[in-house]
Amino acid sequence: RKEVEQDPGPFNVPEGATVAFNCTYSNSASQSFFWYRQDCRKEPKLLMSVYSSGNEDGRFTAQLNRASQYISLLIRDSKLSDSATYLCVVNPSASKIIFGSGTRLSIRP
Amino acid sequence: SQTIHQWPATLVQPVGSPLSLECTVEGTSNPNLYWYRQAAGRGLQLLFYSVGIGQISSEVPQNLSASRPQDRQFILSSKKLLLSDSGFYLCAWDVVAGPGANVLTFGAGSRLTVL
Repeated sequence: RKEVEQDPGPFNVPEGATVAFNCTYSNSASQSFFWYRQDCRKEPKLLMSVYSSGNEDGRFTAQLNRASQYISLLIRDSKLSDSATYLCVVNPSASKIIFGSGTRLSIRP
Repeated sequence: SQTIHQWPATLVQPVGSPLSLECTVEGTSNPNLYWYRQAAGRGLQLLFYSVGIGQISSEVPQNLSASRPQDRQFILSSKKLLLSDSGFYLCAWDVVAGPGANVLTFGAGSRLTVL
């Protein structure tokens, strides 16, 4: 089993829709979780950290489910500019950082 | 503020030729530094990381090597490139945001095509 797994997509949704995707991780001792966004042919950039209690940043909501070992990202009122690949990142231990393969999201007009 | 620079941005090299990619960080001292590779349509593969000058850990055996001659300089090299070395190479440094929480900041990347 991969340490971090994501559905590669692509998710193709209309502008204004709500879309959500999950990421599962195998190491139950993992402490920190993040979502990064990567535009085509660009470097990944931090989108948001994922806190135990869940957190929201504008239209984006991140959740952590420790019992089932997954994190989720919800995007409300999606915009064309949200089209990108979303990478799940897990810190199973200090200085060990594992990236998922990413979920491609395409927002259509 | 901290910045990270990578160069060259793009290069096309023949099989068997050498490689040198350079990464420098400004505005911080003693950063953890990382080299990742991303093959077309794939995830990020950690190649090397360094916690200090001259300290390199290799994650994947291959024909690449890394060096850290100065605190804020990280170099990725190869003596003889293979076709499979093609990819998008990303340098990153991290900030420890909390216990076990390493947030990475990436350079703009170097896109290598081996022909």
